[in-house]
Amino acid sequence: DGGITQSPKYLFRKEGQNVTLSCEQNLNHDAMYWYRQDPGQGLRLIYYSQIVNDFQKGDIAEGYSVSREKKESFPLTVTSAQKNPTAFYLCASSTGTGPANTGELFFGEGSRLTVL
Amino acid sequence: AQSVTQLDSQVPVFEEAPVELRCNYSSSVSVYLFWYVQYPNQGLQLLLKYLSGSTLVKGINGFEAEFNKSQTSFHLRKPSVHISDTAEYFCAVSDPGQGGKLIFGQGTELSVKP
Repeated sequence: DGGITQSPKYLFRKEGQNVTLSCEQNLNHDAMYWYRQDPGQGLRLIYYSQIVNDFQKGDIAEGYSVSREKKESFPLTVTSAQKNPTAFYLCASSTGTGPANTGELFFGEGSRLTVL
Repeated sequence: AQSVTQLDSQVPVFEEAPVELRCNYSSSVSVYLFWYVQYPNQGLQLLLKYLSGSTLVKGINGFEAEFNKSQTSFHLRKPSVHISDTAEYFCAVSDPGQGGKLIFGQGTELSVKP
């Protein structure tokens, strides 16, 4: 079945450690996105990528980094510079680029990061 | 910039009652509109979308929404809810000229009680 796979589903981290969240899709979608979700705040865009080897900052990129070396993969690193990293992280993808992209997103199941 | 307002953060309702979840957006230009549902500790799933055409859009699980351009609204409705509809619902909008960047509302928590 086609879809988006995020791993791990749950992750615990000590303060000061970097952690990388995996996101893989087999939908052949061009664009991929990372969102952060906190209670009562909806979804906030961290980074997005519309083509391989290119990505743009979203609304809350500070303390995060990404790479897009392959079309299928868009890993997110939460660095020690992120002041409040405990949250639910959602990866998504969409088909088409530029005006052909309606914005319809397909989501993974999420990764819950807890900083101890 | 686009913004989306979901007017109710929580909506409690009894089983088999009708429900309306309200959503307003800021732009008066052409938009694409979406409703997503999220069950606890899961990702978001598309309920329905408006891209063009008929202003009444039908989605999965018996939900429907009406696009009202003059009131810049896209309210979600269901005539009779079930316990299994308990979830968080997100309204979202994208600008056709912006290459797909989706802007989400804050979410509405629907709680269906027996």
